[in-house]
Amino acid sequence: DTGVSQDPRHKITKRGQNVTFRCDPISEHNRLYWYRQTLGQGPEFLTYFQNEAQLEKSRLLSDRFSAERPKGSFSTLEIQRTEQGDSAMYLCASSLATTGGSYEQYFGPGTRLTVT
Amino acid sequence: GQQLNQSPQSMFIQEGEDVSMNCTSSSIFNTWLWYKQDPGEGPVLLIALYKAGELTSNGRLTAQFGITRKDSFLNISASIPSDVGIYFCHYGGSNYKLTFGKGTLLTVNP
Repeated sequence: DTGVSQDPRHKITKRGQNVTFRCDPISEHNRLYWYRQTLGQGPEFLTYFQNEAQLEKSRLLSDRFSAERPKGSFSTLEIQRTEQGDSAMYLCASSLATTGGSYEQYFGPGTRLTVT
Repeated sequence: GQQLNQSPQSMFIQEGEDVSMNCTSSSIFNTWLWYKQDPGEGPVLLIALYKAGELTSNGRLTAQFGITRKDSFLNISASIPSDVGIYFCHYGGSNYKLTFGKGTLLTVNP
């Protein structure tokens, strides 16, 4: 299967700890997105990369959040000093940007974070 | 950011019935995308629409891009239990700050 993969699928951590999630996009896709989703809501945009460049960040992405895509392939999302309000599903998606657009995003299974 | 309004918020139907849901916005979009999300999983792309007035089918699913470019509709015919899930609409465009709609939760009673 060559879809988007995320690791881990579940993470339980104590408040104040740092966590890091990984996303492996579809190999030929040059755009990678991170979203956060809480119960009863749609995915909320956090940030996106085109190749290794981080082109957009939401105001939701506080200073405790950082994302990287060092070689334009996989990406990591780190949350420092986690808070209970960070508990959510973190979704990664990828797409292929062309001159005509890059609208079809393909999602991974998500990482469910629980902060206790 | 701008909002996508989905309706209804939830639907309870009997197996075999047809379903219709829609998504509206105050802004004009060039692309509409429909996704389905199962519990504990990421959204899966169902249908993408690229032109105003376009009608596209994917099996029992049919979606339409509204003529005004401010809305889209998704229809599911002859529903089956595995259609259960949350259906999200999403726009296609350069403003990546825009979030998804809140979704339509579909429950199918066998």
